[in-house]
Amino acid sequence: AQSVTQLDSQVPVFEEAPVELRCNYSSSVSVYLFWYVQYPNQGLQLLLKYLSGSTLVKGINGFEAEFNKSQTSFHLRKPSVHISDTAEYFCAVAPKESGAGSYQLTFGKGTKLSVIP
Amino acid sequence: DAEITQSPRHKITETGRQVTLACHQTWNHNNMFWYRQDLGHGLRLIHYSYGVQDTNKGEVSDGYSVSRSNTEDLPLTLESAASSQTSVYFCASSEKGLNRKGAFFGQGTRLTVV
Repeated sequence: AQSVTQLDSQVPVFEEAPVELRCNYSSSVSVYLFWYVQYPNQGLQLLLKYLSGSTLVKGINGFEAEFNKSQTSFHLRKPSVHISDTAEYFCAVAPKESGAGSYQLTFGKGTKLSVIP
Repeated sequence: DAEITQSPRHKITETGRQVTLACHQTWNHNNMFWYRQDLGHGLRLIHYSYGVQDTNKGEVSDGYSVSRSNTEDLPLTLESAASSQTSVYFCASSEKGLNRKGAFFGQGTRLTVV
């Protein structure tokens, strides 16, 4: 089984400031890692993913995330945020191996990013 | 373009009524999922299906059922709606096999049980 912890439920940040949204996971098997973004009254949209290889992955809208296997973390960063980045962000994992339940995404509880003008 | 659509987008129903939420995808994906989203809980898996005639219970399946008679649709039925089932429901789909691409989500259905 997998679990995902997003340590911050809300993160306020001023426009053009950097931001880091934290994600830690627990799993007995190797996992793929994802960040999704949810804008108000919309569904979830894939921001970026880590499958293998380079631990720094880049996504849409200038976001990037770094996979740290020893710390079981996958923190999301952006060097300069915009008002339009105001949204809720979800970290998720899915097992790499096949088997019962292996295609499911397990989500964290989400972090609401509020960008202050 | 391929897409995944949910209907209705909003619904108000009374306690005890049966309610069905529709989910239709044109990705031709084998895997389909239903999640509910509640404040403080994030997204929790209700039911999922890996193909036609296959259905499985998720973390919070009590009071819900699904059926998969074709690849495109996975309707979610609340057998007897309860106030605790007031929530936003999301349908998602993903390709057959290991989940390298993640899942694609619908726009959600906001259900209120009064």
